[in-house]
Amino acid sequence: EVKLVESGGGSVQPGGSLRLSCAASGFSFDDYAMHWVRLIEGKGLEWVSGIDYNSDRFGYADSVKGRFTISRDSAKKSLFLQMNSLRIEDTALYYCAKTPGGIYDNSLYGLDVWGQGTTVTVSS
Amino acid sequence: QSVLTQPPSASGTPGQRVFLSCSGSDSNIGSNPVNWYQHLPGTAPRLLMFNDDKRPSGVPARFSGSKSGTSASLAISGLQSSDEADYYCATWDDSLSGSWVFGGGTKLTVL
Repeated sequence: EVKLVESGGGSVQPGGSLRLSCAASGFSFDDYAMHWVRLIEGKGLEWVSGIDYNSDRFGYADSVKGRFTISRDSAKKSLFLQMNSLRIEDTALYYCAKTPGGIYDNSLYGLDVWGQGTTVTVSS
Repeated sequence: QSVLTQPPSASGTPGQRVFLSCSGSDSNIGSNPVNWYQHLPGTAPRLLMFNDDKRPSGVPARFSGSKSGTSASLAISGLQSSDEADYYCATWDDSLSGSWVFGGGTKLTVL
């Protein structure tokens, strides 16, 4: 079964940090680009970041650029999101998602597998 | 405010056909393939349509997609109560450094 399981969410004060993880199973992790997408209550889905199958290229939404870092580990079959300088507006449910293609900046195939998400709450 | 514009709500009765719209610009819908996602609260989003009008395996033929210029549309025929969900369009946007963009979502109610 193809599966993505996120972890690492929690409650943090503004300015704090969190590291999200996404464990992949049931498919060849090294062959596919991966993404983080968040669901903001009352606003909907927002793309956060994506990374190519081989980590050569990656991109970020303007809202998180300079604060978040995406990475992946083929040995652990895992995707990560290091989130620093967190803001109240980063409060959301964070999903890990896979694309059938190898590059993150191509919408041809869509995001075909999603995890259940991990909740991040930034509050003072 | 989302880069892609979707009406916040839509509704229909069982058996009816409904159309959900998604409006963008030359840098996104006008030059890149559009996807559609169905999202029920508490569950993972589900890919309904990719490359404008292609259905992943397992998605019923009641769902169809289309695109013209800088607008895209998702049609749902034979509406069922289980179709009540939030629907999002998405695509790649070529402007500046590029990014994926989503619509604000349409809440579909089956009356």
